[in-house]
Amino acid sequence: EIVLTQSPGTLSLSPGERATLSCRASQSVSSSYLAWYQQKPGQAPRLLIYGASSRATGIPDRFSGSGSGTDFTLTISRLEPEDFAVYYCQQYGSSPLFTFGGGTKVEIK
Amino acid sequence: QVQLQESGPGLVKPSGTLSLTCAVSGGSISSSNWWSWIRQPPGKGLEWIGEIYHSGSTNYNPSLKSRVTISVDKSKNQFSLKLSSVTAADTAVYYCARKWRYCSGGSCSYYFDYWGQGTLVTVSS
Repeated sequence: EIVLTQSPGTLSLSPGERATLSCRASQSVSSSYLAWYQQKPGQAPRLLIYGASSRATGIPDRFSGSGSGTDFTLTISRLEPEDFAVYYCQQYGSSPLFTFGGGTKVEIK
Repeated sequence: QVQLQESGPGLVKPSGTLSLTCAVSGGSISSSNWWSWIRQPPGKGLEWIGEIYHSGSTNYNPSLKSRVTISVDKSKNQFSLKLSSVTAADTAVYYCARKWRYCSGGSCSYYFDYWGQGTLVTVSS
């Protein structure tokens, strides 16, 4: 099983600041198979990024994804008030078919 | 716009069977997509449970495989989850979701593009 480790667990930042979230895989993951989601309290996750770097429909360009192999990054260039949430990375392809990281909470400082 | 809606009992007794249904609207469950169940214990992360194709083909998380059955009812445009021998550890918000495959340049990406709102199932006597 591929384990995804997200860091930091919590990121305390102010609106307007840049957020950099890490997702590290225990084995190499195809970039095509790496996605990122945003989850707000009481809501289902929302797809942000697929294929490691492609923004989903309707996602603002302040969100960007990068990385390859075992190290992937989600960057929010300038935090808006609505961006404070929990973010999960997800991989596809090994058994189990899908695994998720433990999440990074981006909170208001 | 595809919409998914989970339904089922919110309380299940220990050792019982958890049963949930996901109704799909705005699209056909017989389209070329797989349909998944995902759960999230309170305050914790996401765990993929399994998926089904309209043909009835399934894939399950090995950690739950012995207790999980996912089925599809094409006439009702819905799919269902049964999880047997539940314990308190199965208390979670259960989501249904559509798996989407996007292919470009010789490679394909797989992710969940539509989710239900989720339903909390508590295992307690």
